[in-house]
Amino acid sequence: DAMVIQNPRYQVTQFGKPVTLSCSQTLNHNVMYWYQQKSSQAPKLLFHYYDKDFNNEADTPDNFQSRRPNTSFCFLDIRSPGLGDAAMYLCATSRDPGNEQFFGPGTRLTVL
Amino acid sequence: RKEVEQDPGPFNVPEGATVAFNCTYSNSASQSFFWYRQDCRKEPKLLMSVYSSGNEDGRFTAQLNRASQYISLLIRDSKLSDSATYLCVVNLGNDMRFGAGTRLTVKP
Repeated sequence: DAMVIQNPRYQVTQFGKPVTLSCSQTLNHNVMYWYQQKSSQAPKLLFHYYDKDFNNEADTPDNFQSRRPNTSFCFLDIRSPGLGDAAMYLCATSRDPGNEQFFGPGTRLTVL
Repeated sequence: RKEVEQDPGPFNVPEGATVAFNCTYSNSASQSFFWYRQDCRKEPKLLMSVYSSGNEDGRFTAQLNRASQYISLLIRDSKLSDSATYLCVVNLGNDMRFGAGTRLTVKP
């Protein structure tokens, strides 16, 4: 089945220790998104790639970076995680901007 | 004013009830609209897209009112399995904006 896969599902890191979350898709979609979602809040868009074009949200901290080495994979790098970065990180894809998005199961990040 | 606003609820309804949610959006140029369902500690899943003419999928009906800048979701004959948070999503070009969601609990 075509799908969006995220690894790991749960990640524990220490304050300030860099961490990388990964997302892959078999849908061959052009757009990949990273969202941060905290408890009882809406998913907050961090950035997205439209093919190779990177689009950063204005209020996404510099601490968050992303890479998309090919169509199938996208990575979220958190350079120096703080306690406030503990959240669920959701990857999503869409065929084109504005189309419905399909989400991966998320990575729950804990910062100690 | 928030870009996308929803009543957070919770809505507690008995099985078989009809329940309706509204979602308002601030940008009149918004282009596409969706309802997602999110279960506790799970990812959002697409419930339905919302078309200008309104659309129906089984017990679910979605409508768009561009003049008043809101979308609605109607659930008929509620089931226990409908208990979830319902997220309204509004798209403007490359920007997808989520509402904070409306929590629904359907009780026996």
